[in-house]
Amino acid sequence: EAQVTQNPRYLITVTGKKLTVTCSQNMNHEYMSWYRQDPGLGLRQIYYSMNVEVTDKGDVPEGYKVSRKEKRNFPLILESPSPNQTSLYFCASSLFRAETQYFGPGTRLLVL
Amino acid sequence: AQKVTQAQTEISVVEKEDVTLDCVYETRDTTYYLFWYKQPPSGELVFLIRRNSFDEQNEISGRYSWNFQKSTSSFNFTITASQVVDSAVYFCALSTGAGSARQLTFGSGTQLTVLP
Repeated sequence: EAQVTQNPRYLITVTGKKLTVTCSQNMNHEYMSWYRQDPGLGLRQIYYSMNVEVTDKGDVPEGYKVSRKEKRNFPLILESPSPNQTSLYFCASSLFRAETQYFGPGTRLLVL
Repeated sequence: AQKVTQAQTEISVVEKEDVTLDCVYETRDTTYYLFWYKQPPSGELVFLIRRNSFDEQNEISGRYSWNFQKSTSSFNFTITASQVVDSAVYFCALSTGAGSARQLTFGSGTQLTVLP
């Protein structure tokens, strides 16, 4: 089954404790992206990757890191999480940037 | 810069009523794509439709229909004979730019509640 998977689905952590949210797709997509969803703001792009070893900032990259060492994986790293990073995070992938993006199930993060 | 406006924050209808969700977009590009996504209470984002700027034909898929009008920069979504299962947040999105500069911008979403 073609899909985008994210782990964990739910995470509660404390300020300053580094965490990684994994994202994997099995559709051989070139393009992958991370979004955060906050009430009243829709989805805002954090980082994206056009291909392996190619990443770039989206609209709200502060406090986040990403890497793309393999085509299928695109982890999101929070080196020192803060409460304002409490949000619902989505990973997405598409064949190319202009194509329809398919989303993972989301990761709910609470930073205390 | 591109922008998507979904002015309706929340809509509530009674089952079997028709409902239209509005989407207005702004872009200077002549080539762009428009999308609608559905987010049910379970939280996942479900792709509904993709439209390119050169195709203004309206589309119907079952109870869903989309009205794309470049003259008013709108891409509205109508659900006919709504059902409780249609209750969800609906997002309109715009993809603009060329090549590596292409960017996907979402509206803030419309929460649709269909009452039995």
